[in-house]
Amino acid sequence: QKEVEQNSGPLSVPEGAIASLNCTYSDRVSQSFFWYRQYSGKSPELIMSIYSNGDKEDGRFTAQLNKASQYVSLLIRDSQPSDSATYLCAVKEAGTALIFGKGTTLSVSS
Amino acid sequence: GAVVSQHPSRVICKSGTSVKIECRSLDFQATTMFWYRQFPKQSLMLMATSNEGSKATYEQGVEKDKFLINHASLTLSTLTVTSAHPEDSSFYICSARASRAYEQYFGPGTRLTVT
Repeated sequence: QKEVEQNSGPLSVPEGAIASLNCTYSDRVSQSFFWYRQYSGKSPELIMSIYSNGDKEDGRFTAQLNKASQYVSLLIRDSQPSDSATYLCAVKEAGTALIFGKGTTLSVSS
Repeated sequence: GAVVSQHPSRVICKSGTSVKIECRSLDFQATTMFWYRQFPKQSLMLMATSNEGSKATYEQGVEKDKFLINHASLTLSTLTVTSAHPEDSSFYICSARASRAYEQYFGPGTRLTVT
């Protein structure tokens, strides 16, 4: 069974620090990788997508992908209290729906 | 861009009645739409995948006769919860994906309470 694993947390970081969120996946043929942010009581919001090995930066967010290790991560620089949310890792292979991890709860304290 | 709307945002209904939830892609054509359910403090659970003009594909354990899905156009999919019961109370979220795209965008969700 295809699985996406995330540490449930909570991950607590002080304001201004770097938050590092990690995700591993079981299916080697996975092609597309996504990070969603979900605030309590709200629906998920797409914040990053990454398709090839290496780093992808967008503002304070950096996604890192290592297909050989089946590992994808999200770094949030200069963390803000407004970043406090659950971060969902999602993985997709061609022709299939996204497979979501259970999410990591991030808490940024001011 | 990539905006998905859902209506209603919140609905309360009595046990035994049916509820219809609409999902619309506002600024793109969604060849594929997905319906998820999420219980409090739990992860998203995919219920079904629908492609425009064809029958939905339901995940194992999801009753297709209870959760009716229609994807009649490239911008609209509907989920009808028939004969709702209190255990159907949940947060229902749709998402949409354009043709030949990888990203899925979520609607704001519908909170269903069955009394």
